[in-house]
Amino acid sequence: NAGVTQTPKFQVLKTGQSMTLQCAQDMNHEYMSWYRQDPGMGLRLIHYSVGAGITDQGEVPNGYNVSRSTTEDFPLRLLSAAPSQTSVYFCASSRATSGIRTDTQYFGPGTRLTVL
Amino acid sequence: KNQVEQSPQSLIILEGKNCTLQCNYTVSPFSNLRWYKQDTGRGPVSLTIMTFSENTKSNGRYTATLDADTKQSSLHITASQLSDSASYICVVSRDTGFQKLVFGTGTRLLVSP
Repeated sequence: NAGVTQTPKFQVLKTGQSMTLQCAQDMNHEYMSWYRQDPGMGLRLIHYSVGAGITDQGEVPNGYNVSRSTTEDFPLRLLSAAPSQTSVYFCASSRATSGIRTDTQYFGPGTRLTVL
Repeated sequence: KNQVEQSPQSLIILEGKNCTLQCNYTVSPFSNLRWYKQDTGRGPVSLTIMTFSENTKSNGRYTATLDADTKQSSLHITASQLSDSASYICVVSRDTGFQKLVFGTGTRLLVSP
């Protein structure tokens, strides 16, 4: 198993540009999520999905869109990049959480994004 | 406010020594507490997960403790190795469902030869 994969690993954008961060998992996990990690702050949830066709907002969703057309893929779209979106982005997945309190969460290697 | 605070922010120890990292939380209602290890430039990796009824859990040289009454947890690393150099993140869940996780800012550990 490759686990959770993310592409690209690094990206530089200009203000106003759009792009899609890719995330895929091969563990047949129902639950997938996107986080951003900024210096001096804990990981913050952007969007999450509990299964194909179902997505919801997390703590910091503004400026980002997601879709979940398959179990495996969960792309994150930046609509119009801003310098405040400079961050490291992590995708994570886990089995369905209904009634499972101690399920392990698996993280991807991250995408380091710089917006100029 | 739901918060997770970790101390110290950073720590340097000699290879072979033991160390203990602290985590205090004000998250309510409590579901479980997790410790993650994050190597530089990598994603977090789960070390331990403890529910309300568990007060200790081990994973090799890593031992986590939980005192749900005082809302404190610690991560003890025994006989440290250079590969233990990483950030250690304490995470508390308010409820079932990963959207309820509250992340600490982490303790950065450097193990020096």
